[in-house]
Amino acid sequence: KAGVTQTPRYLIKTRGQQVTLSCSPISGHRSVSWYQQTPGQGLQFLFEYFSETQRNKGNFPGRFSGRQFSNSRSEMNVSTLELGDSALYLCASSFIGMNTEAFFGQGTRLTVV
Amino acid sequence: AQRVTQPEKLLSVFKGAPVELKCNYSYSGSPELFWYVQYSRQRLQLLLRHISRESIKGFTADLNKGETSFHLKKPFAQEEDSAMYYCALVGTPGSARQLTFGSGTQLTVLP
Repeated sequence: KAGVTQTPRYLIKTRGQQVTLSCSPISGHRSVSWYQQTPGQGLQFLFEYFSETQRNKGNFPGRFSGRQFSNSRSEMNVSTLELGDSALYLCASSFIGMNTEAFFGQGTRLTVV
Repeated sequence: AQRVTQPEKLLSVFKGAPVELKCNYSYSGSPELFWYVQYSRQRLQLLLRHISRESIKGFTADLNKGETSFHLKKPFAQEEDSAMYYCALVGTPGSARQLTFGSGTQLTVLP
């Protein structure tokens, strides 16, 4: 069974630009969560979607947004990029319900120059 | 607010020696605790969770609510255990969808 797929794997953007990252969950998984990983702050929860609705949100500015499509695929968008947004962005998918496990993608490495 | 603390950024042990990776948490209710592992050039993956009470790859972890700890232990470390280990919690038991991670411990097992 295919794992969580994130595209692109690497991205270089300029300050002020915007970027869209994509995540395809494991088939049957309806929940998609996004995390930011940086050397300074570690792994931080961004937001979670299921049934095309944002369910939980971490402590990030409004420049970070996301959406989920009817096939459970998710995108996250960062507008007005700042140097500090350079990070590895991880997506995780899971079933909805009890005793679920989060399966992670390999991440998208975003560099803002 | 919930918080996970892993006091050791780096930990080195010799092959065959016992290893303990420390994890302390703060949470006002009854969280669910996890250990995730990331081997070199691989994706983050679940190692074990406290509700399962399993031993995975020889690792065990016991939730100590009095000390708010969830230390990861293995009696005899192997070189293939070298990896980055993250302790994490969720405030909603059974849901792994909003994880709070510690800063991670890089374990190196020396030959």
